[in-house]
Amino acid sequence: DTGVSQNPRHKITKRGQNVTFRCDPISEHNRLYWYRQTLGQGPEFLTYFQNEAQLEKSRLLSDRFSAERPKGSFSTLEIQRTEQGDSAMYLCASSRLDWSLNNEQFFGPGTRLTVL
Amino acid sequence: GQQLNQSPQSMFIQEGEDVSMNCTSSSIFNTWLWYKQDPGEGPVLLIALYKAGELTSNGRLTAQFGITRKDSFLNISASIPSDVGIYFCAGTNDYKLSFGAGTTVTVRA
Repeated sequence: DTGVSQNPRHKITKRGQNVTFRCDPISEHNRLYWYRQTLGQGPEFLTYFQNEAQLEKSRLLSDRFSAERPKGSFSTLEIQRTEQGDSAMYLCASSRLDWSLNNEQFFGPGTRLTVL
Repeated sequence: GQQLNQSPQSMFIQEGEDVSMNCTSSSIFNTWLWYKQDPGEGPVLLIALYKAGELTSNGRLTAQFGITRKDSFLNISASIPSDVGIYFCAGTNDYKLSFGAGTTVTVRA
């Protein structure tokens, strides 16, 4: 069983550019989450999908951020007009919709974004 | 912002020692999770706890869900060099995980 995969693993961009990250969840996991982690901190919740429906977006997710999960499988996170403050590790996680295990989230390796 | 306080912030271990860390919250959670993260990687789930008072083991790891539902602790017995890393607690009442800032475990020289 393959785990959560994320691409790219690293992205360096100039301020003002747009970037897009991809997450492939564990197959048959219908819940998918995006988190952001800065140095010395734990991950912070950004948004969550159940199948293709985006059910919650954190206040951390400004207008420049958009996430999609068009077919209920992989997801993309796009950041427009990047700012230096966007530099962070972007983590994707997935879980099953199972009432006994629905809080066990499995994380991918993350995408490290550096905005110059 | 994060609601969970982890202590200690960092610790040094010597191979063979037992290690303890804990996590407290101002809010009640109905699920506690413990993760380990290595540099440049994503967090790896170690233990999940679902009932207040529950004590759960995974190999050399033991974790407890506090009776008040506002705290949890993690013990590592007979530590080995690969136990170094950052350990995070996370609490949740639904789908959103709230994380602590982590406990960094380093090998004592």
